[in-house]
Amino acid sequence: IAGITQAPTSQILAAGRRMTLRCTQDMRHNAMYWYRQDLGLGLRLIHYSNTAGTTGKGEVPDGYSVSRANTDDFPLTLASAVPSQTSVYFCASSPGAEGDTQYFGPGTRLTVL
Amino acid sequence: GQNIDQPTEMTATEGAIVQINCTYQTSGFNGLFWYQQHAGEAPTFLSYNVLDGLEEKGRFSSFLSRSKGYSYLLLKELQMKDSASYLCAVREGNYQLIWGAGTKLIIKP
Repeated sequence: IAGITQAPTSQILAAGRRMTLRCTQDMRHNAMYWYRQDLGLGLRLIHYSNTAGTTGKGEVPDGYSVSRANTDDFPLTLASAVPSQTSVYFCASSPGAEGDTQYFGPGTRLTVL
Repeated sequence: GQNIDQPTEMTATEGAIVQINCTYQTSGFNGLFWYQQHAGEAPTFLSYNVLDGLEEKGRFSSFLSRSKGYSYLLLKELQMKDSASYLCAVREGNYQLIWGAGTKLIIKP
């Protein structure tokens, strides 16, 4: 593995179903982020984690939860999916120092019907 | 409140120069980033400015004026592969970024 991987690449999901999007990085970055990207809107932060064992809410956290049990993994869970959660989801990581750069995974395209 | 403005779309000709502007109003400022995003792909880092002035990196340059809340990305000697969206993002505090909606750049032969 090199960088950040996300799984699945794409998914079609029935409304009301539970879904976990996976994100793994091998760069030993402290900070990790989940964004959603919708047409015409900027990337919006869902949840973040500044270091393993801690998480925080971003701009649009409702309907989503995260955990950070170790440095490498940062899964995003939709407890009960709704159509408005149809989006492209990007996971990102950064070393965790001021001025550092965020590096993005390839994204997961999620459709909720 | 927080606001980052960029033009929605721009068109330029192969070989030419284009300037993409970004204005921001945020409660704090701790650096400005430019990212490139090709259609269907992830954003990739282009440049970072935290002090006023111009940062040059090959064909790409980025400028920042903190007093004016203004930045631009300058792309020279445009190539067809430069067709992409360009995202401006501001760091207010420690790690998190506030993102503009992006500027779609179309390059014509």
